[in-house]
Amino acid sequence: GAVVSQHPSRVICKSGTSVKIECRSLDFQATTMFWYRQFPKQSLMLMATSNEGSKATYEQGVEKDKFLINHASLTLSTLTVTSAHPEDSSFYICSARPRDRWTDTQYFGPGTRLTVL
Amino acid sequence: GQQLNQSPQSMFIQEGEDVSMNCTSSSIFNTWLWYKQDPGEGPVLLIALYKAGELTSNGRLTAQFGITRKDSFLNISASIPSDVGIYFCAGPLGGATNKLIFGTGTLLGVQP
Repeated sequence: GAVVSQHPSRVICKSGTSVKIECRSLDFQATTMFWYRQFPKQSLMLMATSNEGSKATYEQGVEKDKFLINHASLTLSTLTVTSAHPEDSSFYICSARPRDRWTDTQYFGPGTRLTVL
Repeated sequence: GQQLNQSPQSMFIQEGEDVSMNCTSSSIFNTWLWYKQDPGEGPVLLIALYKAGELTSNGRLTAQFGITRKDSFLNISASIPSDVGIYFCAGPLGGATNKLIFGTGTLLGVQP
């Protein structure tokens, strides 16, 4: 149980285009999902917290107009990188916190490798 | 702010050896989580600890929640090549945020 999927797993795009990444909890409901960014050889950095039915909460320094987050249902959150530039190239990982559990445990997706040319 | 420091930063061992790594915090945590990340993949939850002093095992892995609530240890016994990866500790930031803070990671290499 507690499986999280991400799509696509890898994407290459031209500078200036927008890219949408989907995060789904497959066998549980998640009122809260999280989006992380990870650079090579570094730890995970939280970008934003996505709450079902409300606006996302962004971490300091993360541009909300550049990284659009939508949490349309209890099993789906999307991250759209708008007008992508080469410096946005990174590994983006989502996680989900099960709705019916009292713990802080988060389950992670397999990640999306974004390369902006 | 809160920080989680992991040590060692990296280690390279022979297959069959036991491994120990730890995670320390500047503040108290009520939950400790240990994740493993393979290259190009998302972190996978290994062990979750919820009580000070708790010792929990998952196969060859054993983790302990430190009595002071400011540290945690992860031990791997009889390492095998597939243990290779980065191990992260994590703990909740608290409050109503449900956010986790991650440690700096320990890179483990296992020589067959």
